[in-house]
Amino acid sequence: KQEVTQIPAALSVPEGENLVLNCSFTDSAIYNLQWFRQDPGKGLTSLLLIQSSQREQTSGRLNASLDKSSGRSTLYIAASQPGDSATYLCAVRRVGSWGKLQFGAGTQVVVTP
Amino acid sequence: GAVVSQHPSWVICKSGTSVKIECRSLDFQATTMFWYRQFPKQSLMLMATSNEGSKATYEQGVEKDKFLINHASLTLSTLTVTSAHPEDSSFYICSASTGTGGNEQFFGPGTRLTVL
Repeated sequence: KQEVTQIPAALSVPEGENLVLNCSFTDSAIYNLQWFRQDPGKGLTSLLLIQSSQREQTSGRLNASLDKSSGRSTLYIAASQPGDSATYLCAVRRVGSWGKLQFGAGTQVVVTP
Repeated sequence: GAVVSQHPSWVICKSGTSVKIECRSLDFQATTMFWYRQFPKQSLMLMATSNEGSKATYEQGVEKDKFLINHASLTLSTLTVTSAHPEDSSFYICSASTGTGGNEQFFGPGTRLTVL
């Protein structure tokens, strides 16, 4: 059974610092891994999608790496801003799972001005 | 593109009543839709997978008779919570995908259900 773990559960940084969020998964037979952002009481916003054949994806200040063999992904957010405050979720799609996503519990991020 | 809407965004109902939540893909055809629920401070838990024109596949532990899912068209799936009770209060989120194997999923904004 696939288990997805996110560490830390919560993180508080001053504005301008870089953020490093970790996601680990137990079954390396994944199709892809996706990072999402969720604001309180809201749905999910997709940030980055990394296919299993890729090592990283970048979008603006966001960079996500994937090491499938070790079961790890890291989301880097450069030069954090108060608007980056949210909960960040990673989710993996296992091979043969018919599109089902397995979510981690999330990392709650607070960026203080 | 790839917008998914949900209606209503929030609903309050009395215990014992049924509530229907709609999930629509606005600018693409969704072969597969997924329904999740999320309790406060917790992650998303997949409830069921629905493919257009066929019966939904429910995850272990999810009561199919309580959570009725219908995927009647390529742009609409509905979740009906039957005989709702306070423990059904939760945040329900749907997602939609263009492929049967599941390409990228696009998520709706969620529906907050409160059962009194």
